[in-house]
Amino acid sequence: ETGVTQSPTHLIKTRGQQVTLRCSSQSGHNTVSWYQQALGQGPQFIFQYYREEENGRGNFPPRFSGLQFPNYSSELNVNALELDDSALYLCASSSGLMTTEAFFGQGTRLTVV
Amino acid sequence: KQEVTQIPAALSVPEGENLVLNCSFTDSAIYNLQWFRQDPGKGLTSLLLIQSSQREQTSGRLNASLDKSSGRSTLYIAASQPGDSATYLCAAEGRAAGNKLTFGGGTRVLVKP
Repeated sequence: ETGVTQSPTHLIKTRGQQVTLRCSSQSGHNTVSWYQQALGQGPQFIFQYYREEENGRGNFPPRFSGLQFPNYSSELNVNALELDDSALYLCASSSGLMTTEAFFGQGTRLTVV
Repeated sequence: KQEVTQIPAALSVPEGENLVLNCSFTDSAIYNLQWFRQDPGKGLTSLLLIQSSQREQTSGRLNASLDKSSGRSTLYIAASQPGDSATYLCAAEGRAAGNKLTFGGGTRVLVKP
């Protein structure tokens, strides 16, 4: 049990809608990173939050946005959903920025129809 | 830009055989390399983390080596069992990656009874 929890586990949205995914980090961890994993591929980095500030962003458009709260939980928001946004969204928490082990949640499976 | 490759993409072995999984990366300026296991439709389970100053890490039947000069890491799983069937992913964290994990595409392993 890693202690990282994501909600919801599955959801289906219509193209053009907006979605919010949530992540509770492991106790004592102040860094949260979000990844998108398309079927059959490795996860791709979306962005990272450290102590409520964005600390790095991958090659994703601005309609992907995030937030980290004082308790270090985090949200991933995606606006104007596209069919290609269908994927497994993974949240990882760690203590600090570098050289520490990352622990992942079980993921949220998003299907856009 | 860091690129991580895992070959082969899929591997099938009889129970009891040792597994050797390969991971190569292009930028040797890494902070660490982490191995994960992923069961179908699930999140990532951390297996081993090797810091850049280390050459190997061991946990039970698992052993991972790191050779930064050649840009390679290898995960060995001794005496494979059907329960080891899963996808194994390696990820490098380094300066070029901006404190994020860069993943390989994974190796899908099937251990046949």
